[in-house]
Amino acid sequence: DQQVKQNSPSLSVQEGRISILNCDYTNSMFDYFLWYKKYPAEGPTFLISISSIKDKNEDGRFTVFLNKSAKHLSLHIVPSQPGDSAVYFCAARGSQGNLIFGKGTKLSVKP
Amino acid sequence: DGGITQSPKYLFRKEGQNVTLSCEQNLNHDAMYWYRQDPGQGLRLIYYSQIVNDFQKGDIAEGYSVSREKKESFPLTVTSAQKNPTAFYLCASNRLLAGTGELFFGEGSRLTVL
Repeated sequence: DQQVKQNSPSLSVQEGRISILNCDYTNSMFDYFLWYKKYPAEGPTFLISISSIKDKNEDGRFTVFLNKSAKHLSLHIVPSQPGDSAVYFCAARGSQGNLIFGKGTKLSVKP
Repeated sequence: DGGITQSPKYLFRKEGQNVTLSCEQNLNHDAMYWYRQDPGQGLRLIYYSQIVNDFQKGDIAEGYSVSREKKESFPLTVTSAQKNPTAFYLCASNRLLAGTGELFFGEGSRLTVL
């Protein structure tokens, strides 16, 4: 049973508009949530994280929102750029310290 | 520069052969991990190690083996028992339970079974 779910396999957005990527989780004991970006044939790179005691974290064009009551987090990218086109993975940190990943959402930003 | 080095980047194997993927890190991280990526499956954990000479099975350990004789090295062997070994393999490391638990990934190894 998936503990971290990204229900949208893909998302297409126009350049300059907002991209919103969503993630749901089932375990209320997760203490950190992270977003990774991955290009084909490369390793994922860390984007942004949020502690479970916060509801928002912002870094430049990237903002992550956490709604603990709904067990939901989202990544907002504003404005979206063609270089943002990649697969985005949501991850949650479990009690053993390991990260549990969602299946990813492929973002396409069209010029 | 500090980082994680995986080799080889591309590897071809005949059915029935074992193959070993190398992973080396110079970040002084305690924990190391192996993930497998398949289309539409995300990143699935194969094995992880939190300390030298100890490792734990992940979600899909069958057909794989690992060793952790040195802190810097965590090689993965894909054995002939792995039924569908063609995939993209990713090695990662982190400072266990420190900060956010951010994982640092290598560039990956693409294994193709002919």
